[in-house]
Amino acid sequence: QKEVEQNSGPLSVPEGAIASLNCTYSDRGSQSFFWYRQYSGKSPELIMSIYSNGDKEDGRFTAQLNKASQYVSLLIRDSQPSDSATYLCAVNSGSARQLTFGSGTQLTVLP
Amino acid sequence: EPEVTQTPSHQVTQMGQEVILRCVPISNHLYFYWYRQILGQKVEFLVSFYNNEISEKSEIFDDQFSVERPDGSNFTLKIRSTKLEDSAMYFCASSEGWLGGYTFGSGTRLTVV
Repeated sequence: QKEVEQNSGPLSVPEGAIASLNCTYSDRGSQSFFWYRQYSGKSPELIMSIYSNGDKEDGRFTAQLNKASQYVSLLIRDSQPSDSATYLCAVNSGSARQLTFGSGTQLTVLP
Repeated sequence: EPEVTQTPSHQVTQMGQEVILRCVPISNHLYFYWYRQILGQKVEFLVSFYNNEISEKSEIFDDQFSVERPDGSNFTLKIRSTKLEDSAMYFCASSEGWLGGYTFGSGTRLTVV
């Protein structure tokens, strides 16, 4: 059973701070890793993808991947109230044509 | 920006009835998926579809469920003999390749009464 684990939160940070979200996965064969943002009652929206070890930056977002530790993280710099949402970690294993999602971390950015 | 379109946005049906949820994936995408999310729970995989056939399906996707691509644009999920526990948000998604990120539609909220 492929598992993706996230701290459910809630995580609260003040506006302008760095939010750090973490995710671990069980399948060592996993090849692609994603962070989705989901506002309440809405669909998941892809914000970052990462495929190799190290950091990947896109604007205020940085994804970090460590395959040896089976760990993925997302940093949000200069957090804004509009970043308040649930952040979903999703993993695609090498043999599976599907994404396995974590349960999500609820982030609140306080003005 | 290209998007995945789902209809209807909300469907209420009586237990035991059949429903068809419709999706129009992004036109140059080759892989199509259905996921569901029961309120307050994880996004769960149902089925993936490529080259006009099912690639993978989960344990949830039993004989009650079927998918079809009736023409070059639509992708449908049929749920026969609906049960109360089928109430959920159903998301269609598509991707160019199967290792890449998926684009999700806005979802259909299915309520079985």
